[in-house]
Amino acid sequence: DAKTTQPTSMDCAEGRAANLPCNHSTISGNEYVYWYRQIHSQGPQYIIHGLKNNETNEMASLIITEDRKSSTLILPHATLRDTAVYYCIVRVTNFGNEKLTFGTGTRLTIIP
Amino acid sequence: NAGVTQTPKFRVLKTGQSMTLLCAQDMNHEYMYWYRQDPGMGLRLIHYSVGEGTTAKGEVPDGYNVSRLKKQNFLLGLESAAPSQTSVYFCASSYRRFSRASYEQYFGPGTRLTVT
Repeated sequence: DAKTTQPTSMDCAEGRAANLPCNHSTISGNEYVYWYRQIHSQGPQYIIHGLKNNETNEMASLIITEDRKSSTLILPHATLRDTAVYYCIVRVTNFGNEKLTFGTGTRLTIIP
Repeated sequence: NAGVTQTPKFRVLKTGQSMTLLCAQDMNHEYMYWYRQDPGMGLRLIHYSVGEGTTAKGEVPDGYNVSRLKKQNFLLGLESAAPSQTSVYFCASSYRRFSRASYEQYFGPGTRLTVT
């Protein structure tokens, strides 16, 4: 699975859009980009995933560059409850390769 | 639905003691996973299972054993606990989608284990 690089920490004002970048320059053609978050000491929570097209769901939007070497997770209107560690993960979804490899993520702090 | 539950929530062991962590899911998921998380680090996969009666090694399997006798349960055993196994343990599950694991994994609340 391709390695990812994320900033260690970021701040965002409440109500503003939080843009979390992720670099995955060694991504291969069949690898998906996943985003999870971990609030305080709870179990991680799935947010969104994508292959090459931009994706949006009720939680967030995922923007993947055309060369797929980087992506950005966007929380459109950040609230205090969005304070968490956000993990960008890249993996192939094949039978027999089921694991997620978590790095250290980005600690996002939403400031009132 | 309770989702993924883990028992116990906290435990303190002495070096050399054994214990079993229980993970249960009520979503009829085929895949189940055990991760550990150490301070300042991401999660690391210990073992996983792609179906009842099957298990496989993950990234850090040494010192742990697992069993999946029932589809809804995934047990993680420590035969002889060591201080290096002090960690937070998370269980997760996912469903099968077109012969593969689904994109999202559902995590339990975690078990905090301290080995002294």
